[in-house]
Amino acid sequence: GAVVSQHPSRVICKSGTSVKIECRSLDFQATTMFWYRQFPKQSLMLMATSNEGSKATYEQGVEKDKFLINHASLTLSTLTVTSAHPEDSSFYICSARDEGDRGTVENTEAFFGQGTRLTVV
Amino acid sequence: DAKTTQPTSMDCAEGRAANLPCNHSTISGNEYVYWYRQIHSQGPQYIIHGLKNNETNEMASLIITEDRKSSTLILPHATLRDTAVYYCIVSGKTSYDKVIFGPGTSLSVIP
Repeated sequence: GAVVSQHPSRVICKSGTSVKIECRSLDFQATTMFWYRQFPKQSLMLMATSNEGSKATYEQGVEKDKFLINHASLTLSTLTVTSAHPEDSSFYICSARDEGDRGTVENTEAFFGQGTRLTVV
Repeated sequence: DAKTTQPTSMDCAEGRAANLPCNHSTISGNEYVYWYRQIHSQGPQYIIHGLKNNETNEMASLIITEDRKSSTLILPHATLRDTAVYYCIVSGKTSYDKVIFGPGTSLSVIP
C-alpha cells in the first residue's frame, strides 16, 4: 500500500538553529501534502498545505516565515523550522493522499508519516 | 474546526466489541466519514471510511445512520493493541481536501 515516510524520526537541536524535516511519498505522487503539529496529550493541529510548484498555504496563526515549506517534486515536501526555540519542540507529522495517474483519485484515505519528534534545547 | 464530536474516553474489555460513536450533524453531501487511530508517538493510521452505506473491512465495521448525522466504529474483538486514540473525521474525498482532527476518543482495552 501507499507509504509516506518522514526523516528524521527524532532530532535534537540547539535554540536558534534551523531544522529541516523531509516528507516523502514512496510509491505515489502527491501534488498536495499536509503538515501537522502535535503537542503532548493534544490532537493533531493542521499547520499548512504544501503545494507542489507553488507556495504553501498556512492555517491561521501559523507563521510562514517561521515554518518554511518547500514542495519541489511530486514526492517530496520539506518543513524547515527556522530559528527554533524550546516552544517549537513538538511532534511534526505529514500526510498525503494517492492521486493516481490522472491527478485526482477519488475516495482515498490520507497516509501519514511516522512523525518527527523535535526537541529544542 | 473539526466537524465531529466524540466521547473523550472509553474502556473496553479485551475480546469484546468496542463501539465508538461519533456525531457529525453538519456533514455535507459530498463529505465522507473517515476513521483513523493513533497509537502513542506514531503517525495516525487509516481504519475505514464510508459515505452513506455501512462498511466493513479486516479491521473494523462502520455504521452510518440514514441521515448521516452520526456513525459508529465497531472493533469486533478488541485486543490490547487496539488501545489508541480514535479520530472520526469528515472530509472530501480528493487529494487536496484537508483532514482536520478533533480531540478524538481515547480507547483503553482492559485485560
